[in-house]
Amino acid sequence: EAGVAQSPRYKIIEKRQSVAFWCNPISGHATLYWYQQILGQGPKLLIQFQNNGVVDDSQLPKDRFSAERLKGVDSTLKIQPAKLEDSAVYLCASVQRGAPYNEQFFGPGTRLTVL
Amino acid sequence: AQSVTQPDIHITVSEGASLELRCNYSYGATPYLFWYVQSPGQGLQLLLKYFSGDTLVQGIKGFEAEFKRSQSSFNLRKPSVHWSDAAEYFCAVGAGGNQFYFGTGTSLTVIP
Repeated sequence: EAGVAQSPRYKIIEKRQSVAFWCNPISGHATLYWYQQILGQGPKLLIQFQNNGVVDDSQLPKDRFSAERLKGVDSTLKIQPAKLEDSAVYLCASVQRGAPYNEQFFGPGTRLTVL
Repeated sequence: AQSVTQPDIHITVSEGASLELRCNYSYGATPYLFWYVQSPGQGLQLLLKYFSGDTLVQGIKGFEAEFKRSQSSFNLRKPSVHWSDAAEYFCAVGAGGNQFYFGTGTSLTVIP
């Protein structure tokens, strides 16, 4: 069974530029999460999708971050414009059902460096 | 508010020695508790989880954890550490609804 795929693995941009990350969850997994992991910290939830609908985006900085999950499969997270403090690893995870106590399967992450 | 505390930022152990990583949580009801491991350049992998029942849970790679309600703890243990266990370990709590919180992690170094 293929795991959660993410691309790119690394990205370096200058502040005020835009960037987009892509995630393809495990086939059949209805719930998808995006996390931000700043160096030295644990992952912080940004947004949760159930199929193609948003369940929780309370911690997403909506002035610059956006995410979509068209057709309820893969998802894109965008930052526009980026700030220095956005430097982090962005992790995507999926679960087979929506409850948070189900095992979340994580992708390898995208490491973003903002200069 | 819900929170997870991992008091040890970094731990060094000798190969073959026993290991215990500490995790304390703050939550009003019975939480769902998890331990994940993250190797360099890799995503997080679930080691074990606790939902209810037996407070001692077994996981993969020879790890186990014990839920102690009175101490609000969920410490991870392994009787004999292998060099391949060197990684970052995260404790997490699922607090119902869509809430899922991670600790700040403990970095494990294994010396020969």
